[in-house]
Amino acid sequence: SQTIHQWPATLVQPVGSPLSLECTVEGTSNPNLYWYRQAAGRGLQLLFYSVGIGQISSEVPQNLSASRPQDRQFILSSKKLLLSDSGFYLCAWSVPRRGTEAFFGQGTRLTVV
Amino acid sequence: AQRVTQPEKLLSVFKGAPVELKCNYSYSGSPELFWYVQYSRQRLQLLLRHISRESIKGFTADLNKGETSFHLKKPFAQEEDSAMYYCALRAWNRDDKIIFGKGTRLHILP
Repeated sequence: SQTIHQWPATLVQPVGSPLSLECTVEGTSNPNLYWYRQAAGRGLQLLFYSVGIGQISSEVPQNLSASRPQDRQFILSSKKLLLSDSGFYLCAWSVPRRGTEAFFGQGTRLTVV
Repeated sequence: AQRVTQPEKLLSVFKGAPVELKCNYSYSGSPELFWYVQYSRQRLQLLLRHISRESIKGFTADLNKGETSFHLKKPFAQEEDSAMYYCALRAWNRDDKIIFGKGTRLHILP
C-alpha cells in the first residue's frame, strides 16, 4: 500500500535560518506531489506542485522554494526564514489519473521566532 | 484561473437537522470536484468525489455545471460530523494541480 512520510512534525527556527522540510512517498511511482500551507481563515494554499523529477510549478511567489531530486521525494526549502513563514505545511501526493484524490501527510508545524 | 469558494467559515447546525456546505468554483475546463474532511487531530482525507456519485457517511454532493456549484449535503446531522470541510478542484486537463477552498468548520450542536 502507498504511504506518505513528512518530517519533522514540529519545528522551531529562528528568523534568518534556513529551512528544509522533506516528504517521501512509498508504494507508487511517478506520483504528482504537492506542498500546501494551511492557515486558519485561509484554507489550504497551494505553494508548489510537481508532475515529475525536476519539474516544479510555483503558485505563490514567496520566500520558499521546492525541489524534487528523486521520483518520490519532495523538499520544501528556504534560505532565510521570515516570521511570516510560520504555519502548518502539508505534503500530498496523487496518482496522475482522472478522478483520483490527493493523499496527505501528517503535516509540519513551523514556528519562526 | 481556477478558483474554489466556500462562503461560510463556520456553520452551526443542530443534531438531526439538515446540513448544506456550499462550494462554488471557477474553471474553464471540465472540472473534477472533491470534498475533503479533517476531523480533530487527524489527517486531511477524502470524503467524496463527484465522478463517483457516491454517498459517504450520509453525505452527497451534486455537481451543477450551470451554477458552477458542488454543495455538500446531509439530511440529518450527527455529532460526529463536526469537522473542517474543504472543497477541492482538480485541473486534470490543464496542469493537474489541485486547489482548495478556504474551508468550512461544521459544528453540530447537541
